Amino acid sequence: KAGVTQTPRYLIKTRGQQVTLSCSPISGHRSVSWYQQTPGQGLQFLFEYFSETQRNKGNFPGRFSGRQFSNSRSEMNVSTLELGDSALYLCASSRGQVSYNSPLHFGNGTRLTVT
Amino acid sequence: QQPVQSPQAVILREGEDAVINCSSSKALYSVHWYRQKHGEAPVFLMILLKGGEQKGHEKISASFNEKKQQSSLYLTASQLSYSGTYFCGTEINNGNTGKLIFGQGTTLQVKP
Repeated sequence: KAGVTQTPRYLIKTRGQQVTLSCSPISGHRSVSWYQQTPGQGLQFLFEYFSETQRNKGNFPGRFSGRQFSNSRSEMNVSTLELGDSALYLCASSRGQVSYNSPLHFGNGTRLTVT
Repeated sequence: QQPVQSPQAVILREGEDAVINCSSSKALYSVHWYRQKHGEAPVFLMILLKGGEQKGHEKISASFNEKKQQSSLYLTASQLSYSGTYFCGTEINNGNTGKLIFGQGTTLQVKP
């Protein structure tokens, strides 16, 4: 069974540009969550999508947005990039909304560097 | 809202034990534990529900004290393969499922 796939693995962008990251969940998983990981900050929750609807959102500015398609694949977009957006962006899928019986399965992440 | 993990880092010799704690200021519905090795994705270890549940898998076990809003991860007779960063993820007991908030992580290094 294929795991969570994130593309691309690495991205280098310039301040002010925008970027789109892609995530393909495990087959049969309907929930996709996005996290930003930086040294010292751990895993910061961005948002969670379930059945094409954003169900939860973290404390990130509106420059961070996402969507989920009918096949559960998800994309995350960051506009007007800032240097502080440099991070590892992790996508995680779960069968249902994450709860006691639905753990997260993480992808290997997209490493974004903003120069 | 982010849970607090302690210690931030720990260094062990093979065979030694370790305890990692996770505390929340909010009432919790469940606690998840994950381990991330350097350069890899976090991997699920176990989930605990409110009710003082304790779970275990071989030499790694965990407990959840609902009243204290705390969870602890116990690693006994540590092996080199236990090295990595451990994260607790908390689901707040407010009926809003689907949002898992992680602590800042505890880095564990096991030496021969």
